[in-house]
Amino acid sequence: DIQMTQSPSSLSASVGDRVTITCRASQRISNFVAWFQQKPGIAPKSLIYAASSLQSGVPSRFSGSGSGTDFTLTISSLQPEDFATYHCQQYNYYPFTFGPGTKVDIK
Amino acid sequence: QVQLVQSGAEVKKPGASVKVSCKASGFTFTDYYMHWVRQAPGQGLEWMGWINPKTGGTYYPQKFQGTVTMTRDTSISSVYMELSRLRSDDTAVYYCAREISGYSFDFWGQGTLVTVSS
Repeated sequence: DIQMTQSPSSLSASVGDRVTITCRASQRISNFVAWFQQKPGIAPKSLIYAASSLQSGVPSRFSGSGSGTDFTLTISSLQPEDFATYHCQQYNYYPFTFGPGTKVDIK
Repeated sequence: QVQLVQSGAEVKKPGASVKVSCKASGFTFTDYYMHWVRQAPGQGLEWMGWINPKTGGTYYPQKFQGTVTMTRDTSISSVYMELSRLRSDDTAVYYCAREISGYSFDFWGQGTLVTVSS
């Protein structure tokens, strides 16, 4: 199975900060990466697919990049509603696998 | 608007089975593969497989082969996930999710908590 790792596991940031989360795959997966946002007790929300394509309705402050094994999710200016846990996922090979998540909380 | 509405919370004993439903609306049900993902308390997300609502075809990863069964009822635009031989470590929130053809998921159900306890 492909292992997805994320760093950092958690971070503290302030409103307006630029935040970058990294996801690394244990083998090359082209650009078959998605990112999800999840708040406590609520279903995940899809943010990005194909490494860099924004889901409809997702604010443009979110962006994704990467290919191969290394991927990033960037929030250009953190907003109060962005405090949440972020998960990456690979869907290039079965079984689809997720990273362990990165929790973004308020500094 | 796309909606995926799941059935309510369940409490089951070890060894029993549970069947969770996911009713779709706001789109053509047979045009999109549907996936199931679970999340144990305080843990990450775990993918359980997919069903093609048009054909009924399924795919389950090895971990879930023999214990999970996904079905659909096109007359009511619903998919189902049945998990058998439940163990305590099957306690989790179970989500259905719609696949954007070949591009992971776009919409998720609200989740169904399944608790396995003697």
